[in-house]
This record gives sequence, structure tokens and C-alpha cells, in this order.
Amino acid sequence: AQSVTQPDIHITVSEGASLELRCNYSYGATPYLFWYVQSPGQGLQLLLKYFSGDTLVQGIKGFEAEFKRSQSSFNLRKPSVHWSDAAEYFCAVGRSNTGNQFYFGTGTSLTVIP
Amino acid sequence: GAVVSQHPSRVICKSGTSVKIECRSLDFQATTMFWYRQFPKQSLMLMATSNEGSKATYEQGVEKDKFLINHASLTLSTLTVTSAHPEDSSFYICSAHPGQGDGYTFGSGTRLTVV
Repeated sequence: AQSVTQPDIHITVSEGASLELRCNYSYGATPYLFWYVQSPGQGLQLLLKYFSGDTLVQGIKGFEAEFKRSQSSFNLRKPSVHWSDAAEYFCAVGRSNTGNQFYFGTGTSLTVIP
Repeated sequence: GAVVSQHPSRVICKSGTSVKIECRSLDFQATTMFWYRQFPKQSLMLMATSNEGSKATYEQGVEKDKFLINHASLTLSTLTVTSAHPEDSSFYICSAHPGQGDGYTFGSGTRLTVV
């Protein structure tokens, strides 16, 4: 069965520190992988995506993620966190980028302290 | 970029009444739109797939008679919560795919509170 696991429910980091949010997936086919960010009371914004090619992908707001097939992981990273990065982050996996087989992880809530 | 507009952003209704939520693709056509529900501190759960010109496809456990979906045109899908109960209070989000290389575009969500 398809699933997405985000092991960390909540993470707190200091402003300026580095960040890594973990995402592991279980998928029977070649996955399409996404990271979305949700600010309080808002919809979701796409940070980055991986379909194929270079396994290190760059996204908006200085985020990057690395696809590791051997580990079934797609961890999100940022070298220096800003206070405005505080939000909920969702990892998602899909069979394609247009189909309805699209699964979200449970999310990781990020708190940034001064 | 592709934009999905969702309206209203917040709505409060009385138990037993119906509420309609609209999802519009502003600069692209969407033959398929998706409706999600998000409970506090939880992830998004796909409720149904809205298909233009045909019946919606509902996920297991979602009551089709309670959550009516209409995909009236290539740019508009509506979700109507009928006979609302307090347990229907939730955050509802729609999404669509602009048909290019990006992932889904999401609306800004609707916070429904049933009192």
C-alpha cells in the first residue's frame, strides 16, 4: 500500500540554524515527490518537486530536497532558517503529476525561535 | 502561474443547513479537481475527485449524499455540505492540475464551522 511517513510531528529550530525535515515513502511504482508548505489558516504552496533526473532538487524560498531511492526518502533541507519559515510542511507522493493517486504525509510543524 | 481560487475562506453555519464552497481555476481549464478535508493538526485526506461533465468519484467512507459535488464547467467545481453537523467542521481545500510540469495547485481553503 502507498504511504508517506513524516516521522517528526514537530520541530523547533533557532533562526539561522539549518533544517532537515524527514520524509519516507512506500510506493509500488516510480514516485512523483512533492513538498508543500502551509501557513496557519492558508492553503498549500508547492515548495519543490521531483519527477526524474538530478536527485537533488531546488525549490523556492531557499529549500532543497534530495531523493534517495535506496532509502525511500525525500528529505527537505534549508541551510539557514528564517522566522517566516514557521509553518506546517507536508510531503506528498503521487503516481504521476496529474492523477488522483496523491498521498500526503501527516505533516511536520516547524517552530522558529529567535 | 496557475491559480486556484476558493470561496468563501471562512463560513459559519447552523446545524441542519447547507453550505456551498466554490473552487475556480482562474487561468487554466481543469477537467478534474480534487477536494480534500483537513482536521486540526492532521494531514489532508482526499474526499473526492470532481470530473467535469460526469459524476464525482468519492473516496471510501465519504458520504456522497452529504458532500455533493458539481463540476459545472471547466473552471468551476462546487462542494456542498448538506445538513451540516458540528462534526463537519473542518478545513476544506480544493486542488487542480494546470496541465504543465508542476504539481497540483491548491486553493487557499475554506474553514467551515457548524454551530
